Amino acid sequence: QLQLQESGSGLVKPSQTLSLTCAVSGGSINNDGYSWHWIRQPPGKGLEWIGYIFHSGYTHYNPSLKSRVAISIDRSKNQFSLKLNSVNAADTAVYYCAREDIAVAGGNFDYWGQGTLVTVSS
Amino acid sequence: DIQMTQSPSSLSASVGDRVTITCRSSQSIDKYLNWYQQKPGKAPYLLIFAASSLRSGVPSRFSGSGSGTDFTLTISSLQPEDFATYYCQQSYSIPRTFGQGTKLEIK
Repeated sequence: QLQLQESGSGLVKPSQTLSLTCAVSGGSINNDGYSWHWIRQPPGKGLEWIGYIFHSGYTHYNPSLKSRVAISIDRSKNQFSLKLNSVNAADTAVYYCAREDIAVAGGNFDYWGQGTLVTVSS
Repeated sequence: DIQMTQSPSSLSASVGDRVTITCRSSQSIDKYLNWYQQKPGKAPYLLIFAASSLRSGVPSRFSGSGSGTDFTLTISSLQPEDFATYYCQQSYSIPRTFGQGTKLEIK
């Protein structure tokens, strides 16, 4: 059974950089049939897609965050990471990592991490 | 970006009721539409993919339909565990986008 687990700092000061890692277990991140995503959800609000990475290292980001975000992959550790710089209070959210199965009709997010709350506050 | 609009935003219903949630996209997305269920404090869970395909293990009371710009999620007979928030999501293009959610509450 595939499992994804987010880890990282739960409290980040304004203007600093948010850093999270998603560890994948029960399956390999080196698979052409999947892409690896970050999605966030501000408290009490809806879901916002941040970006994705393929095992090749190819990335694509939400234009609304593109200037501040970077996603990287570590195939040797079977994990991928998110960095979001120059954070402000609007970046306070639960951050999820998720796998997208791209083999089926455009794709779907079939596995998710449990989510980690990141609060931006001084 | 493709905008996804769900209706209603909230819905009160009773156990045993038949419920339908609607999702509309701002442009045609063929059948590239997924539905998720989210319970408080939990990650979203995939229910329906490609507009009408039921994920393995999901009860058959859940069904999806539609193509183009208009989609529906139907729960044929509500069970207590179905009270949650439901999201649609398009996988037609990047950026991936979600509907604003429909909160299904107990009447």
